[in-house]
Amino acid sequence: NAGVTQTPKFQVLKTGQSMTLQCAQDMNHEYMSWYRQDPGMGLRLIHYSVGAGITDQGEVPNGYNVSRSTTEDFPLRLLSAAPSQTSVYFCASTRTPENEQFFGPGTRLTVL
Amino acid sequence: AQSVTQLGSHVSVSEGALVLLRCNYSSSVPPYLFWYVQYPNQGLQLLLKYTSAATLVKGINGFEAEFKKSETSFHLTKPSAHMSDAAEYFCAVKKSGGSYIPTFGRGTSLIVHP
Repeated sequence: NAGVTQTPKFQVLKTGQSMTLQCAQDMNHEYMSWYRQDPGMGLRLIHYSVGAGITDQGEVPNGYNVSRSTTEDFPLRLLSAAPSQTSVYFCASTRTPENEQFFGPGTRLTVL
Repeated sequence: AQSVTQLGSHVSVSEGALVLLRCNYSSSVPPYLFWYVQYPNQGLQLLLKYTSAATLVKGINGFEAEFKKSETSFHLTKPSAHMSDAAEYFCAVKKSGGSYIPTFGRGTSLIVHP
């Protein structure tokens, strides 16, 4: 199993551009999440999904959209990038609520 | 709402010394507790988890943690630090029966001196 994969690994955007961060898992996990990690802030939840077709907002959802059309994929869309969205983004999945999360390797995004 | 406090954003130890990383949580019901490790430029990976089977939990790389309900703590320890233990460590709590979303602490950076 590849586990949780994320693409791209690095991305530089200009303010106002849009892009999609890709996340896929091959473990047939129902639960998937997107986090951003900033120095001194730990992990902050952006959006999450409890199954295909079901998504909800986390702690910091503004400026981001998600959709979950399949169990495997959970893309994160930045609608109009801002410098405040410069961060490292992690996707995670879990089989059941009682189990640990499996994290992807992250996408390092810089918005100029 | 549940919360997680990790005392100390940075902990510095000498190689061979005891490692103690502190985690306190607040939860109105018995929780699931996790410790994750993040090596530089990588994602988080599970070190160990508490799911009520035993209060002392052993994880990978010689780490262990003890669940103390009376103190609402889940501190992470390792008897002898190794240079390769230098990383960021995150404590996370998930309330049993509630949302599947865990609450993460802000992380503790472990620095190991030779």
